[in-house]
Amino acid sequence: AQSVTQLDSQVPVFEEAPVELRCNYSSSVSVYLFWYVQYPNQGLQLLLKYLSGSTLVKGINGFEAEFNKSQTSFHLRKPSVHISDTAEYFCAAHGPSGNTPLVFGKGTRLSVIA
Amino acid sequence: GAGVSQTPSNKVTEKGKYVELRCDPISGHTALYWYRQSLGQGPEFLIYFQGTGAADDSGLPNDRFFAVRPEGSVSTLKIQRTERGDSAVYLCASSPPGTVTGELFFGEGSRLTVL
Repeated sequence: AQSVTQLDSQVPVFEEAPVELRCNYSSSVSVYLFWYVQYPNQGLQLLLKYLSGSTLVKGINGFEAEFNKSQTSFHLRKPSVHISDTAEYFCAAHGPSGNTPLVFGKGTRLSVIA
Repeated sequence: GAGVSQTPSNKVTEKGKYVELRCDPISGHTALYWYRQSLGQGPEFLIYFQGTGAADDSGLPNDRFFAVRPEGSVSTLKIQRTERGDSAVYLCASSPPGTVTGELFFGEGSRLTVL
C-alpha cells in the first residue's frame, strides 16, 4: 500500500531564508507525487505535481520540488521564504492506476518569522 | 462562487445524533472525493464518486458512515450515531474529467464536533 512520510511536523524559518520540507514515499511501482498547501482558514490548494519527465518540478509562489527515485523522496524547497508562506504543507501520492485514492502525509507546519 | 462549497462550515452535535454534511462541487467536475482530517493529521480518504456511483468506498471507517451523490453533482456525507471520535474536519474535493487523479480542488471543509 502507498504511504507518505513527512519527517518534520513543524519548521520555523526566518523571512528570506531558504527552506526545505521533506517527504518520502513508499511504493514498489511508479507514483504520481503532489504537494498541497493549506493557508489559514482556506482549503487545500495544489502547489505542484510530478507525473513524469523532468525530476525538478516548479510550482506556484516560487516553490519547487525534486523527485528522487533512488531515495524515494520528493522534498519541497524555496530559496527565500516570505511571511505569506506560513501555512500547512502536505505531500501526497498515489499509484499509476487512476482508481487508487490520493494518500497524504501528516503535514508540515511552516512558520515564517519576521 | 466558483469553488467547491461545503455546508455547514461548523457543526456541533451530541454523541449518538445523526449528521449530514453537504458538498457542492465545481460545475462540470465528474469526480468527487470525501476526506477526513483529524487534528495533527493529514487528510484521510473516505470515499470517491465518479458520476453518481461510488467508485471506491474503502476508506469509510464503518457502517455508520454513508455518502450519496444521486444526480452526479451535490454529495451528502451521512454519519449515524455519532461518536466523539468522529470529531474532525470533513473535506470534499472534486476534479474535472480527464485529469490525473490527485489534481483535486478542495473545499474549506466542515468542522464536526461531537460532544
